[in-house]
Amino acid sequence: QKEVEQDPGPLSVPEGAIVSLNCTYSNSAFQYFMWYRQYSRKGPELLMYTYSSGNKEDGRFTAQVDKSSKYISLFIRDSQPSDSATYLCAMSGGGETSGSRLTFGEGTQLTVNP
Amino acid sequence: GAGVSQSPRYKVAKRGQDVALRCDPISGHVSLFWYQQALGQGPEFLTYFQNEAQLDKSGLPSDRFFAERPEGSVSTLKIQRTQQEDSAVYLCASSLGGAGAGGYTFGSGTRLTVV
Repeated sequence: QKEVEQDPGPLSVPEGAIVSLNCTYSNSAFQYFMWYRQYSRKGPELLMYTYSSGNKEDGRFTAQVDKSSKYISLFIRDSQPSDSATYLCAMSGGGETSGSRLTFGEGTQLTVNP
Repeated sequence: GAGVSQSPRYKVAKRGQDVALRCDPISGHVSLFWYQQALGQGPEFLTYFQNEAQLDKSGLPSDRFFAERPEGSVSTLKIQRTQQEDSAVYLCASSLGGAGAGGYTFGSGTRLTVV
């Protein structure tokens, strides 16, 4: 079983829809939670960064972390065609050595149709 | 430069050939990571440097993989005697801080195809 599980999709929505992306994890040592967006043939780009449980909002994006359920979510409001990409959840435990490494989900491929 | 630069962007190697992949991190960034991303998968950790010290190499899949960062800036990932299963995108990431920061900046990667 993978440490981080993410539904790979693909997910296809109409423009303006609310998108919900989710990941579950098994390692209770994870403290830092991130969402990256990856366009085709590009490297991942950091979207949201959260420490421990709670919500964080940035424009059309909201990240939620529920450590008790080991469940994180990313919501995209008023989705745009330019949001079409692969969304990767990532997490780490912190610490000087191996705690810095990110463990990624498989990625969810999102298409927003105009 | 403004971002993390990786070269070459694309590399085709014959099975058994040695390859070297280069990463130029953002100037002044202390931490540098290498990840391997297979097609349709999330990136998987290979190795981590803090300045010139390689603090974690537990993700390197075999002793054919070797990474260095001798002066604490540019890093090279070397793969000896390449195999078809080494075909993947190799991503480099850097961050200003050390452990736990998480908000890394990734390069666009080197796409390695072993034929």
